[in-house]
Amino acid sequence: DAGVIQSPRHEVTEMGQEVTLRCKPISGHNSLFWYRQTMMRGLELLIYFNNNVPIDDSGMPEDRFSAKMPNASFSTLKIQPSEPRDSAVYFCASRLDPQGGSRNQPQHFGDGTRLSIL
Amino acid sequence: AQSVAQPEDQVNVAEGNPLTVKCTYSVSGNPYLFWYVQYPNRGLQFLLKYITGDNLVKGSYGFEAEFNKSQTSFHLKKPSALVSDSALYFCAVRPQGDSWGKFQFGAGTQVVVTP
Repeated sequence: DAGVIQSPRHEVTEMGQEVTLRCKPISGHNSLFWYRQTMMRGLELLIYFNNNVPIDDSGMPEDRFSAKMPNASFSTLKIQPSEPRDSAVYFCASRLDPQGGSRNQPQHFGDGTRLSIL
Repeated sequence: AQSVAQPEDQVNVAEGNPLTVKCTYSVSGNPYLFWYVQYPNRGLQFLLKYITGDNLVKGSYGFEAEFNKSQTSFHLKKPSALVSDSALYFCAVRPQGDSWGKFQFGAGTQVVVTP
């Protein structure tokens, strides 16, 4: 079975440009998470969707960041305008949460997008 | 508020020796606990989880972890380490009372297994 698919794997762009990261969750999974990983701050949760609806976006750093999930098989994380401090590895993860269940299943991670803002 | 601590930035062990990676947590109520492993340029991979029941949990690649409620710990163990176990290991916790299931991840522990 295909895992979580992220694209692109690497992105290098100049400060001020718009960046769009993409994620395809595992088919049938109904929760989706965007994380950012840096040496200084470790793994940070940016936003969490359940059934395509944003549940918690308190980790989104500022208004330059936005995320959408237009359907169950696709999500985007957009940075506009990008800044050098946004350089990090961005991960998408998905999880199957059974209806009425206790949401204790593991998250499945993609291999990330390594973003470098010059 | 929930938190998880991995007190060691790096653990060094010789191949064939026992490996232990430490994790302690703080949550309100009972926890769900998880271990993940991350290899270079890859995403996190699930190893094992504690939900309820037996305090000793067995997972992938010969790893196991022991839940200790009194010490609020969930240490990861492997009886005989392999060079291929060299990776970054993350402990994660979420309180059972958190209906939306957000994890709190530790800072990670780098494991280096030498031949």
